This record gives sequence, C-alpha cells and structure tokens, in this order.
Amino acid sequence: QVQLVESGGGVVQPGGSLRLSCAASGFTFSNSGMHWVRQAPGKGLEWVSFIMYDGSEEHYADSVKGRFIISRDSPKNTLYLEVSSLRPEDTAVYYCVKGAFWGFVSWGQGTLVTVSS
Amino acid sequence: QSALTQPASVSGSPGQSITISCTGTSSDVGAYNYVSWYQQHPGKAPKVMIYEVSNRPSGVSNRFSGSKSDNTASLTISGLQAEDEADYYCSSYTRSTTWVFGGGTKLTVL
Repeated sequence: QVQLVESGGGVVQPGGSLRLSCAASGFTFSNSGMHWVRQAPGKGLEWVSFIMYDGSEEHYADSVKGRFIISRDSPKNTLYLEVSSLRPEDTAVYYCVKGAFWGFVSWGQGTLVTVSS
Repeated sequence: QSALTQPASVSGSPGQSITISCTGTSSDVGAYNYVSWYQQHPGKAPKVMIYEVSNRPSGVSNRFSGSKSDNTASLTISGLQAEDEADYYCSSYTRSTTWVFGGGTKLTVL
C-alpha cells in the first residue's frame, strides 16, 4: 500500500532554513504528482506546493512563493521541500501527499516545523 | 487564494443525517468537478472521503455522499455514527493551477 514518510522537521530560528524529505513507497512514484500541505497547530489545512510527476511544473501558494522550493528525485522515490526565510507563521505540521488533479490521494503522517527564537 | 467557506461546526444525533456546505467561487468550486472532502481525527493525518464531487474511494462507507451546485459543494453523512465525529475539510482545484481548502468543520455526534 502507499507509504509516505516525512522527515527533516525541527526547531529553527526566524529567517532560517530546512529541507524536508518524503520517502515514498507502494506506488509508482515517477508517475504521480505530489503535494505538500501544512497545518498550523490547532488550525486548518493549507495547500503549499505541487510538482508534476516528471518535475516539469511546480506550483506554489502565494504565502510561500519565493521562499519554498519543491523538488523530486524519482530514482530515489523521494520528494523534497526546501523551506527558507522562515517566519513564525510557517510553524506547522507539513504533510507529503500523493496527488491527483482532483486533490489529495494519500497522506503521510507529517513532520513538525517550529519557527521560534 | 481565499479559503473556501465552511460552517465552523455541525452536530447530529446517532442515526441522523447532516450536511456540510463548502462555498467557493466561479474560479474554483464552480469551475471544475475537482472538489474533494477529507476527514481528520485528532492527531491523525487527513483521509479522503469523496473525490471529484461525488465519488467514494474504495473502503469509504456509502453513508458518505457528495454533490455540487454552482459554487457550493456539499458533503452529506447519513446514519451518523460515533466514529464519524471528526473535522471535515473540502478542497478544490482552481483556475490558477493551485488548490484551496475550506476552513474546516467540526462534526459533533451528540
């Protein structure tokens, strides 16, 4: 079955950077678009970014555009999210999600990013 | 990229039916049949319950159904059960090649 395991979260100071990773298994990663979705503590879901199955297109929410970069390494079945110029409002659980045009097919368990001095 | 509008909370008794609305615009909900619904229990990852407005993934109870009219989508849960108590989110693809979620609805089973 589909398995998505996120890693790389942690505590970082405002203005800092992290690289989140998502190890995918149980499906043909190279055939699937992938999303990152985040959820601030006690808040709702927020779509962050999407990358096409072949990496040919990337799309971002306005709130992260210019600060976050999504990428993928299909031979390694791994999705990445480089997060930089972090702000306290970026504090959230970041979910890796197997995608479709209609939305979000399968979710990982998430990795927590805390932006605090 | 404004969030879709959902009621903050709904409630119902076991066996009853409830409906959660999700209102967007002609640029998202009204533009495509790419509306989906997600259930999230506390401390857990979301799970898709409805996709493409009214389709149920394998394994999801037929007590869950979806529909759409113009810029508003709806999720109906019939025969409410205690395990349905959770947060529910709608989502839509948009004309800007982005995705947007609703603010979420907390379902309480009385």
